[in-house]
Amino acid sequence: DTEVTQTPKHLVMGMTNKKSLKCEQHMGHRAMYWYKQKAKKPPELMFVYSYEKLSINESVPSRFSPECPNSSLLNLHLHALQPEDSALYLCASSQDYRGQGAEVGQPQHFGDGTRLSIL
Amino acid sequence: TQLLEQSPQFLSIQEGENLTVYCNSSSVFSSLQWYRQEPGEGPVLLVTVVTGGEVKKLKRLTFQFGDARKDSSLHITAAQPGDTGLYLCAGGLGDKIIFGKGTRLHILP
Repeated sequence: DTEVTQTPKHLVMGMTNKKSLKCEQHMGHRAMYWYKQKAKKPPELMFVYSYEKLSINESVPSRFSPECPNSSLLNLHLHALQPEDSALYLCASSQDYRGQGAEVGQPQHFGDGTRLSIL
Repeated sequence: TQLLEQSPQFLSIQEGENLTVYCNSSSVFSSLQWYRQEPGEGPVLLVTVVTGGEVKKLKRLTFQFGDARKDSSLHITAAQPGDTGLYLCAGGLGDKIIFGKGTRLHILP
């Protein structure tokens, strides 16, 4: 069982819908991440929150809006998505975003993802 | 430019055989992680290597970090069908988190 919980597991939505993906962790981690993964490709980083503040936005279109209500929760609000946005959306967490030497790339714990299909 | 090159991209071998997959870069990483991802699931962290020359063992899996911290390898002894999956290496470079494209491993019973 994963320690990072994502809901829903599957989501089908139309291009005009508004929906949200949710992610929760109770490991006391202070960094949380959203990734997008297309079939047979590695995860692509979208956003990083560190201590509940947005640290990284990898030039993600504004139709994706992240939110970190507290240190355990991470949401991804979706609006007016395109068919090419269909993918597996993964949430991850790590103890910190930067290590003791301020380096990024800390070990991450991933959820099992939300498989999103845009009609 | 792919900053972390993984090879081979695909590998299909018989149960009981040994194999090695590689993660190479021209850049120095402070640490590298290896993950395994099975269909329908998220990546699972296998190991982190942080010291040049470091070797870590996880049952039948042996991970090595190159002396110059530019490359890493994963060796599996006596592969089993349960080892099937996508193996990803990842690390931090500057302010970027970099993933390799992965090695898709299939162990035939």
